[in-house]
Amino acid sequence: DVKVTQSSRYLVKRTGEKVFLECVQDMDHENMFWYRQDPGLGLRLIYFSYDVKMKEKGDIPEGYSVSREKKERFSLILESASTNQTSMYLCASRDRGRIYEQYFGPGTRLTVT
Amino acid sequence: GEDVEQSLFLSVREGDSSVINCTYTDSSSTYLYWYKQEPGAGLQLLTYIFSNMDMKQDQRLTVLLNKKDKHLSLRIADTQTGDSAIYFCAVQGSQGNLIFGKGTKLSVKP
Repeated sequence: DVKVTQSSRYLVKRTGEKVFLECVQDMDHENMFWYRQDPGLGLRLIYFSYDVKMKEKGDIPEGYSVSREKKERFSLILESASTNQTSMYLCASRDRGRIYEQYFGPGTRLTVT
Repeated sequence: GEDVEQSLFLSVREGDSSVINCTYTDSSSTYLYWYKQEPGAGLQLLTYIFSNMDMKQDQRLTVLLNKKDKHLSLRIADTQTGDSAIYFCAVQGSQGNLIFGKGTKLSVKP
């Protein structure tokens, strides 16, 4: 079974803090993604990575950065957290040869106060 | 850019069939998807259909694709209370990422 894990289920941070959200997959997938999910807005793509050390901006990259130093790990960084970044963050991965199967982690619910 | 639309709510009685509809704007997507999200959980790939197919059946699930009208539907036969969840339609974007609809919340009444 493919497993995508995220470092925390729930996280509370203060405005201005630097926040790291970690995602790890155990299936040697090349492609990894970060989405945020908000009520009434669905899922929106923040950043994605085709492979190690590669990154591409999604639809809403402002206020975020990413790091992919190892194939299994994709980190989302909030440089200076703001209250409008309170959201559910979902990580996903897929094999580049099986693009029809994208697997999601359980999500991290981040609250910025 | 690509846009995916679906109604936000659907309520059915246990044992009835549920039909969740989705429309999209870009017809170049090779695959079209349905994901399920249960409360407090991540997204689970429910099924997908290749763009050259009209229909795909998988146990209680039937996916219908009308490429001419850019319409995708998911039918759940004999809906159970355990099917209560949010269902997301998704298509592939030009960069290979997924573009999701806002999700349809399915409520199943006993």
